[in-house]
Amino acid sequence: AQKITQTQPGMFVQEKEAVTLDCTYDTSDPSYGLFWYKQPSSGEMIFLIYQGSYDQQNATEGRYSLNFQKARKSANLVISASQLGDSAMYFCAMRHYSGGGADGLTFGKGTHLIIQP
Amino acid sequence: DVKVTQSSRYLVKRTGEKVFLECVQDMDHENMFWYRQDPGLGLRLIYFSYDVKMKEKGDIPEGYSVSREKKERFSLILESASTNQTSMYLCASSPGGLAFQETQYFGPGTRLLVL
Repeated sequence: AQKITQTQPGMFVQEKEAVTLDCTYDTSDPSYGLFWYKQPSSGEMIFLIYQGSYDQQNATEGRYSLNFQKARKSANLVISASQLGDSAMYFCAMRHYSGGGADGLTFGKGTHLIIQP
Repeated sequence: DVKVTQSSRYLVKRTGEKVFLECVQDMDHENMFWYRQDPGLGLRLIYFSYDVKMKEKGDIPEGYSVSREKKERFSLILESASTNQTSMYLCASSPGGLAFQETQYFGPGTRLLVL
């Protein structure tokens, strides 16, 4: 069974500092995908970044990068130069393949990030 | 832009009522999903569908059913609502296919309160 662990329930960070949000995962499948989503207080889930299990390089999307350490089964999200608008819940998720043509995501419990001015 | 809409943002129902949560996507996506979100538990998959009239159980299907009569619409049904089904319900869709990088796009969510 797949499992995602986010050990930081909440974080306070000063504006403009870099932030690392931790995520570890557990799966026996060699093929999987890892995602990070942001959920502001308004409730919508916003896709941030994706990393595939066979990708050789760490994914980057603007200020977001994913520190992928396959041997350690970790996929930490790094936000550079944090902004007040980055305050939100952040979820790490893994895609598992059911073989039926579609598959859901397994989510971690989330990290509540608060950026302080 | 992909748009996933849900019929209600807030819903209050009584115990024992039959509840329908509707989700519509406008991007001709093959796959649709229903999750529930509870504080401290993250999102958990209830049901998903990869084609019209097809459905698959997720991790927590008990107490729920789904219907997909048209490609763009995926309904979550609570046959007899109970207080432990008070939660935020999120619908998502994805294009379809086997690519692991396929992103799921989420609707705004429905906050359901069962009294």
